[in-house]
Amino acid sequence: GENVEQHPSTLSVQEGDSAVIKCTYSDSASNYFPWYKQELGKRPQLIIDIRSNVGEKKDQRIAVTLNKTAKHFSLHITETQPEDSAVYFCAVRGGSTLGRLYFGRGTQLTVWP
Amino acid sequence: GAGVSQTPSNKVTEKGKYVELRCDPISGHTALYWYRQSLGQGPEFLIYFQGTGAADDSGLPNDRFFAVRPEGSVSTLKIQRTERGDSAVYLCASSSGPGNEQFFGPGTRLTVL
Repeated sequence: GENVEQHPSTLSVQEGDSAVIKCTYSDSASNYFPWYKQELGKRPQLIIDIRSNVGEKKDQRIAVTLNKTAKHFSLHITETQPEDSAVYFCAVRGGSTLGRLYFGRGTQLTVWP
Repeated sequence: GAGVSQTPSNKVTEKGKYVELRCDPISGHTALYWYRQSLGQGPEFLIYFQGTGAADDSGLPNDRFFAVRPEGSVSTLKIQRTERGDSAVYLCASSSGPGNEQFFGPGTRLTVL
């Protein structure tokens, strides 16, 4: 099956700084790469996703980049705010896994005011 | 409209007991997924339904776990002879199709004493 590695496991930044979280995957046929934000005790919520035919996608302060050759993708958050503090999970849908997602282990992001 | 809902929100049971966890997907969503999330980990896939049928049950850990979706809407995850290692948050997600965004429910926190 797919193997998803996520780094770092924890990340602390000052408000206004940028944060970058990286994930690698193993299945070259993987075709969909969502990022989820999960606040303590809450459900995971999709914040941005990218498909394998696109290299970069932006949505206001959030961007995701995908390098299919190297099999890695990254989440970029600019101008961080305290409310960005949460656990962020990357996920991958394999080329033949009918919709199931493989998740990374998560990154605890803390934004200090 | 209403999102994915799950009941109960918390379930405490004794080792060896049987439990049922319920998921109500977003109306009209044909795809339904069950994941399990242990503390400090990302969600781990259990089973995926397309309509009434289980399209992928490869994530079920053993034959004590079973899930149904008899009318293509509500799904029930059933765990027999519960073990302490089954303690986790069980998340349900639904999507309008296997390639589309998965919306998660709030989860059921299962504690096996």
